[in-house]
Amino acid sequence: AQSVTQLGSHVSVSEGALVLLRCNYSSSVPPYLFWYVQYPNQGLQLLLKYTTGATLVKGINGFEAEFKKSETSFHLTKPSAHMSDAAEYFCAVSDNFNKFYFGSGTKLNVKP
Amino acid sequence: DTAVSQTPKYLVTQMGNDKSIKCEQNLGHDTMYWYKQDSKKFLKIMFSYNNKELIINETVPNRFSPKSPDKAHLNLHINSLELGDSAVYFCASSQAGGSQETQYFGPGTRLLVL
Repeated sequence: AQSVTQLGSHVSVSEGALVLLRCNYSSSVPPYLFWYVQYPNQGLQLLLKYTTGATLVKGINGFEAEFKKSETSFHLTKPSAHMSDAAEYFCAVSDNFNKFYFGSGTKLNVKP
Repeated sequence: DTAVSQTPKYLVTQMGNDKSIKCEQNLGHDTMYWYKQDSKKFLKIMFSYNNKELIINETVPNRFSPKSPDKAHLNLHINSLELGDSAVYFCASSQAGGSQETQYFGPGTRLLVL
């Protein structure tokens, strides 16, 4: 069975600081991993995904994530936070059988 | 050009009523989903259809009935609405298989049951 754990329901950083949002997963098969962002009153938007190949994945808005199989992690990072990054972020895993499992979300707050 | 669209965007109704939410995708995907997002932002899958056939049916009250007239549409009908049904409902679609496995979400339907 697949599951996703996001450590920290709220993360607060200063503008310009490093953003690190943590995601750990469990999967009985090689996983496909995703990060989605949800802005207030909007749907989820895909930030980036890992399926196969290079373990460091770059996404939109300067975000990237690294798949570490030994740590079963897929943490999301961004070198320098912008005010516009304030949103809810969801990590998800898929077993390629039409089923996605989402984490509980991390709300990112960016302070001026 | 909206990839996944849902109507209505907002729905306020009385307890006991029956309501429907519609979803359409123009991405040519084979699979569509309904998710419920509660007040704590937790996303839970409700149903999944592949080529008009139900493939995932999580533990959801049978007051919820999905209908897929064709693979581009997946509607959600809810009978006898209850207060606990208040949530945001998201439709999504994906093209299953290999590296194409990505879900695209609609903007959500905010349901408030009074």
